[in-house]
Amino acid sequence: KAGVTQTPRYLIKTRGQQVTLSCSPISGHRSVSWYQQTPGQGLQFLFEYFSETQRNKGNFPGRFSGRQFSNSRSEMNVSTLELGDSALYLCASSSSAGVSGYTFGSGTRLTVV
Amino acid sequence: GQQVMQIPQYQHVQEGEDFTTYCNSSTTLSNIQWYKQRPGGHPVFLIQLVKSGEVKKQKRLTFQFGEAKKNSSLHITATQTTDVGTYFCAVDGGTSYGKLTFGQGTILTVHP
Repeated sequence: KAGVTQTPRYLIKTRGQQVTLSCSPISGHRSVSWYQQTPGQGLQFLFEYFSETQRNKGNFPGRFSGRQFSNSRSEMNVSTLELGDSALYLCASSSSAGVSGYTFGSGTRLTVV
Repeated sequence: GQQVMQIPQYQHVQEGEDFTTYCNSSTTLSNIQWYKQRPGGHPVFLIQLVKSGEVKKQKRLTFQFGEAKKNSSLHITATQTTDVGTYFCAVDGGTSYGKLTFGQGTILTVHP
């Protein structure tokens, strides 16, 4: 079956702009989580959605937001981009509370200049 | 929340040598998951441990969960160049839905 699909793979934005990233989970997976990965901070949890509801949120400013659609696809948005937002953004899907682990997408590499 | 410390940060080995990475917590963990991320890639789920003292094997990889559920280890026997990458331990938040708390990772380099 198809894996987790993230688009776009690479993105270059200017400070102050906003960006929207997309994630399509594995078919049948209703939970989608988002992570930010940077060399300095490692992998950090952003938020999790299940059946179009945000169930959990990490410690990120309000500029980071997300949503999930009825087909379980999810988007995350970052407004007023800062240089420090440059990172690999990963989404992960799971079937049931991650008991079989989480399947990650290939990520979106965001560069803010 | 649950936090995990992972050591070492880096490990360089000659092909054929063994490798071990450790994950430690000051609190009892509900579970521990292990992921591998190849250079330029994304984390790939390896295994989940939930029981005290649990030991699981996958070919040359051996995963252990401590008796007190406060530590875990991943051991690779006779490393190969294909083992190169970063190995992460992570704790699933359970009712803290969808939240994995990752260790800092161990970057493994294998010299042929």
